[in-house]
Amino acid sequence: EVQLAESGGGLVQPGGSLRLSCAASGFTFSSSNMNWVRQAPGNGLEWVSYISSSGSHIHYADSVKGRFTISRDNAKNSLYLQMNSLRDEDTAVYYCARGGDYGDYVGYWGQGTLVSVSS
Amino acid sequence: DIVMTQSPDSLAVSLGERATINCKSSQSVLYNSNNKSYLAWYQQKPGQPPKVLIYWASTRESGVPDRFSGSGSGTDFTLTISSLQAEDVAVYYCQQYYSTIFTFGPGTKVDIK
Repeated sequence: EVQLAESGGGLVQPGGSLRLSCAASGFTFSSSNMNWVRQAPGNGLEWVSYISSSGSHIHYADSVKGRFTISRDNAKNSLYLQMNSLRDEDTAVYYCARGGDYGDYVGYWGQGTLVSVSS
Repeated sequence: DIVMTQSPDSLAVSLGERATINCKSSQSVLYNSNNKSYLAWYQQKPGQPPKVLIYWASTRESGVPDRFSGSGSGTDFTLTISSLQAEDVAVYYCQQYYSTIFTFGPGTKVDIK
């Protein structure tokens, strides 16, 4: 069974930093493209970032480019999101999301971790 | 970036009746070399992460009831629930994965009338 477990969320002040982690199990992590997707309270889904299975291809939403960095450690079956220069509007539940079995849609989701940016 | 729009914002349908949700992309998400539209549909129930229902615009994910169907190509897409059940109350999102910047639609809330 595919399992994705996010951690690292919490309360941070504007301008601060936070690092999210996602522990993956139940599938071959090193063969899977991964994403971070977020959802602000009461709002819709916003794709944040993508990293290919080898880490050679990385993409970001314009809203986070230059502030967030996605990375992965295939030896540890782990995905990360380093978030710097955080803003109020970054407040959201952040989901770790695996690509689908047949394409780059999101086939599997974690339960999410809440990031709150507030002074 | 490709902008996704959905209509309506919300709808209420009687149990057993049909629900139809539309999704439009600001540019084509059809890849001519394989004739596939890079469009997925997701269902999100309150307090839960989303779940994929449809990918490649019309391929149903394994385990998804056959009352859910997707259609369309290029820029215009539709998700149809043929006979609404109580457990289908949720918000439904479309998403394009054609470009390197993936984008979601704003969502459509489905309720029971």
